[in-house]
Amino acid sequence: DGGITQSPKYLFRKEGQNVTLSCEQNLNHDAMYWYRQDPGQGLRLIYYSQIVNDFQKGDIAEGYSVSREKKESFPLTVTSAQKNPTAFYLCASSIGFENEQFFGPGTRLTVL
Amino acid sequence: GDSVTQMEGPVTLSEEAFLTINCTYTATGYPSLFWYVQYPGEGLQLLLKATKADDKGSNKGFEATYRKETTSFHLEKGSVQVSDSAVYFCALMDNTNAGKSTFGDGTTLTVKP
Repeated sequence: DGGITQSPKYLFRKEGQNVTLSCEQNLNHDAMYWYRQDPGQGLRLIYYSQIVNDFQKGDIAEGYSVSREKKESFPLTVTSAQKNPTAFYLCASSIGFENEQFFGPGTRLTVL
Repeated sequence: GDSVTQMEGPVTLSEEAFLTINCTYTATGYPSLFWYVQYPGEGLQLLLKATKADDKGSNKGFEATYRKETTSFHLEKGSVQVSDSAVYFCALMDNTNAGKSTFGDGTTLTVKP
């Protein structure tokens, strides 16, 4: 089955630690995205990538970093510089920027 | 910049009632419009889409028509079911702003038996 996987589903970290969230897709999509969702709010774009080895900052990139070394993988690192990292993180992909996005199941990060 | 405004929730309906969730947008170009649905603890799933003015997207009994004159994309369903309870997001993708989709804040729908 083709799709997007995110792991883990729940993640707990201590304040001050960096943490990396995994996102893998086997849809052969070129574009990938990371969003943050806070309770009762919409999605805010963190980073996006159109092709391998290229990515751009979204609306709330501060305190986050990404890499795109392989087409199918787009990991997100939440650094200690992110002031309020506790949130639900969603990864998505699309054939191209002009197409609808397919979402993973999300990772709920809690920083203690 | 681009923006999407959705009807505030939560919305509570009885089974078989008619549903409307309003969505209006502002965009600099000619956007494609989408409705996504999110069930508790899950990611978003595409519900329907429309890529140009007057297009009607439809899926699973839900419909929405791209109205350029009123910059709207209201979601409707004639008879809701308990299983339709979820959060619904309106979104646009502006082809002049490649790579950046804009989402509304979401509307929570609860359908009671």
